[in-house]
Amino acid sequence: DAGVIQSPRHEVTEMGQEVTLRCKPISGHDYLFWYRQTMMRGLELLIYFNNNVPIDDSGMPEDRFSAKMPNASFSTLKIQPSEPRDSAVYFCASSARGILAGGLQETQYFGPGTRLLVL
Amino acid sequence: GENVEQHPSTLSVQEGDSAVIKCTYSDSASNYFPWYKQELGKRPQLIIDIRSNVGEKKDQRIAVTLNKTAKHFSLHITETQPEDSAVYFCAAARGNKLVFGAGTILRVKS
Repeated sequence: DAGVIQSPRHEVTEMGQEVTLRCKPISGHDYLFWYRQTMMRGLELLIYFNNNVPIDDSGMPEDRFSAKMPNASFSTLKIQPSEPRDSAVYFCASSARGILAGGLQETQYFGPGTRLLVL
Repeated sequence: GENVEQHPSTLSVQEGDSAVIKCTYSDSASNYFPWYKQELGKRPQLIIDIRSNVGEKKDQRIAVTLNKTAKHFSLHITETQPEDSAVYFCAAARGNKLVFGAGTILRVKS
């Protein structure tokens, strides 16, 4: 199993440019999560999908951020236009099954992350 | 929403000693509590988790305890080794949303 795959691993861009981060979840996992990690704010959940449908995007910082999951094996997180304060490590994670009402949580497996620097 | 506080922010121990990291959570409906280890420049990796119907769980040198009444849970690492040095994050979940603590930098001195 290749695990969660993210690309690119590093991205350096200039303020105002569009940035697209990509994620391939573990095959068979039906939940996909996007996180952002910074020194100041720690690990924050941005958005998550279940069966390709966005369930909760309350963590998305502003309209410049958007995420899509066109199929079960691919998701994108887009920042347009990018700003220096968007510099962070962005992680994608997937899990096999989320909580049913009163049910059990499944482990979230993280990808290697994309280190974004906006100049 | 859920709020998770983690202490201490840094912890330095001698090799072979035990390390304890504590977290408190605010949402009494949270029912899943994982712990992740993150080495420098790497991804967070699950090391142990506990669900709200269990008070304690152990896996070799690592154990986690949960006190639902007090809304706190702790990570215990015994016989620490240099390779245990990393940042450790606790998290609490209600539904599918994990809320992470701020992290603890653990240094194991040899």
